Amino acid sequence: AQTVTQSQPEMSVQEAETVTLSCTYDTSENNYYLFWYKQPPSRQMILVIRQEAYKQQNATENRFSVNFQKAAKSFSLKISDSQLGDTAMYFCAFMKIRPNNNNDMRFGAGTRLTVKP
Amino acid sequence: EAQVTQNPRYLITVTGKKLTVTCSQNMNHEYMSWYRQDPGLGLRQIYYSMNVEVTDKGDVPEGYKVSRKEKRNFPLILESPSPNQTSLYFCASSLRDPRWTRLEQYFGPGTRLTVT
Repeated sequence: AQTVTQSQPEMSVQEAETVTLSCTYDTSENNYYLFWYKQPPSRQMILVIRQEAYKQQNATENRFSVNFQKAAKSFSLKISDSQLGDTAMYFCAFMKIRPNNNNDMRFGAGTRLTVKP
Repeated sequence: EAQVTQNPRYLITVTGKKLTVTCSQNMNHEYMSWYRQDPGLGLRQIYYSMNVEVTDKGDVPEGYKVSRKEKRNFPLILESPSPNQTSLYFCASSLRDPRWTRLEQYFGPGTRLTVT
């Protein structure tokens, strides 16, 4: 079974600075997706960024980028120019890809990020 | 607007009183799923459905039932709720793209359930 580990339960960063959230995963699959979801105090789950395992290039979405190390099974999220609105719980998630894929998504326990003014 | 809706958003109930949490999506998604979120555990899958009349257990199905009679709806049923089912519940849906390019799940707003 796939497992996802987020080793940082809580982190904080000063506004406008950069922060990196860690995520490691364990799988024997070769084709899969990795995601970062953001959950603000409203509790809505918001997709931040997605990475396909077959792509070597790291995904980027504006101020959000990932460092995907497939061999090391590492998938960290970097937030540049942190803003107060980035304060949220961040979940790393893994999803395997197979022809009869049930889209089973495995989540880490989450990292609570606080951006300080 | 494309969305997943859940009702109710908040529910306080007593042990043993049957309840249903509804989930509906307007995106014609084939795949739907229920998760529960608990502190320190992230989200864990309860049940999922790959299409109408096709449902299967996730990681933590005990104490829950689901049905998928229509493509848009996927209700979660607690026949006899217990305090350990106090949690935040999320419904999600996604489209199955054969080229695997659009598989992220769209989540509902969550339902906070308290069982006393």
